[in-house]
Amino acid sequence: DTGVSQDPRHKITKRGQNVTFRCDPISEHNRLYWYRQTLGQGPEFLTYFQNEAQLEKSRLLSDRFSAERPKGSFSTLEIQRTEQGDSAMYLCASSLVAETEAFFGQGTRLTVV
Amino acid sequence: AQSVTQPDIHITVSEGASLELRCNYSYGATPYLFWYVQSPGQGLQLLLKYFSGDTLVQGIKGFEAEFKRSQSSFNLRKPSVHWSDAAEYFCAVGRSGGGADGLTFGKGTHLIIQP
Repeated sequence: DTGVSQDPRHKITKRGQNVTFRCDPISEHNRLYWYRQTLGQGPEFLTYFQNEAQLEKSRLLSDRFSAERPKGSFSTLEIQRTEQGDSAMYLCASSLVAETEAFFGQGTRLTVV
Repeated sequence: AQSVTQPDIHITVSEGASLELRCNYSYGATPYLFWYVQSPGQGLQLLLKYFSGDTLVQGIKGFEAEFKRSQSSFNLRKPSVHWSDAAEYFCAVGRSGGGADGLTFGKGTHLIIQP
């Protein structure tokens, strides 16, 4: 399977704990995007990378959130001191370059208890 | 600020019947418009997009959409639905014709197919 891969698929954590998600984009895709989708809502843009450079962060990305793409390949999204409001599906997508179709992964479902 | 409204949360259609899903957008410049489909346990898949030219665009799986600037609408249609079309459909507006940076999605329309 050469699609966008996200790990883990599901994560249950206690409030206050830190969690980290991983996204492996399609090989050679330069752009990588993170979105969050809560129940009954459409995806909301969080941030995106061009190679290893983080080019934009939405205001939804609070100080507790950090995303990295250290070698321009896989990316990680870390949430510190999780809150119940962080419960959501976290989606990753990648595209070859700016103007080409983005392909989404299946997402990581986070539940904060 | 850009926004997308999908007025119908749920739509039920009989298999073989035609389908129209509504989408209205608000955007300050020339909009780049997209329709995505999300099946259970699957990622979002792009059905079609519009950013210029012919206002009727064709997509995958037999879907089409029509851009109407005067109505700020970008409705999705299919002449005859199949049971496999049951899914969540999202309309989105963006600032470029590709990629996924800064897309604004609607809340989605859940499509149910009756046998």
